[in-house]
Amino acid sequence: DQQVKQNSPSLSVQEGRISILNCDYTNSMFDYFLWYKKYPAEGPTFLISISSIKDKNEDGRFTVFLNKSAKHLSLHIVPSQPGDSAVYFCAASALEYGNKLVFGAGTILRVKS
Amino acid sequence: NAGVTQTPKFQVLKTGQSMTLQCAQDMNHEYMSWYRQDPGMGLRLIHYSVGAGITDQGEVPNGYNVSRSTTEDFPLRLLSAAPSQTSVYFCASSYPRQGSYGYTFGSGTRLTVV
Repeated sequence: DQQVKQNSPSLSVQEGRISILNCDYTNSMFDYFLWYKKYPAEGPTFLISISSIKDKNEDGRFTVFLNKSAKHLSLHIVPSQPGDSAVYFCAASALEYGNKLVFGAGTILRVKS
Repeated sequence: NAGVTQTPKFQVLKTGQSMTLQCAQDMNHEYMSWYRQDPGMGLRLIHYSVGAGITDQGEVPNGYNVSRSTTEDFPLRLLSAAPSQTSVYFCASSYPRQGSYGYTFGSGTRLTVV
């Protein structure tokens, strides 16, 4: 049973427009959420995170929104750039589980120029 | 260069062979872990360690062994390779959970078992 779900396997966006990547989770114990970006033949790199005590965190072009009641988070990229084309993984952790991260299946983002 | 180093980058094994995937980090991170990435399944935790001498199982530990004799190294051993272990393996390290944090991942080992 997947505790972290990314239901869109892929997303295609025009350069300059907004990219919205979605993630749902089922475990109410999760209290920290992260997004990772992965290019082919490289390891994932940390992008942005949010604690469950917040509903929004912003870092430059990247903003993560958390809706605890819906157990849903989203990553907004504005404006999207061709270099943003990558696989994006949503991940979650819980204090009770220590430092372990549970990852979603990933969403492939393609930004067209 | 600081980071997580994985070797080898590519490996082909025959069914039944054993091998060790190496992982080393130079950031003095206490926490290290191994994940495997399979299409449509994201990253799944194999084993992890919260410090030297301490290891525990993750979501998919069967067929793999680990040990942590030093802070820097966390090798993953495949005991008897099976085609189901064909995957991309990532090692990661981090500080203990303290607010905003992120894992640092290695560049991966692509393993094919024939």
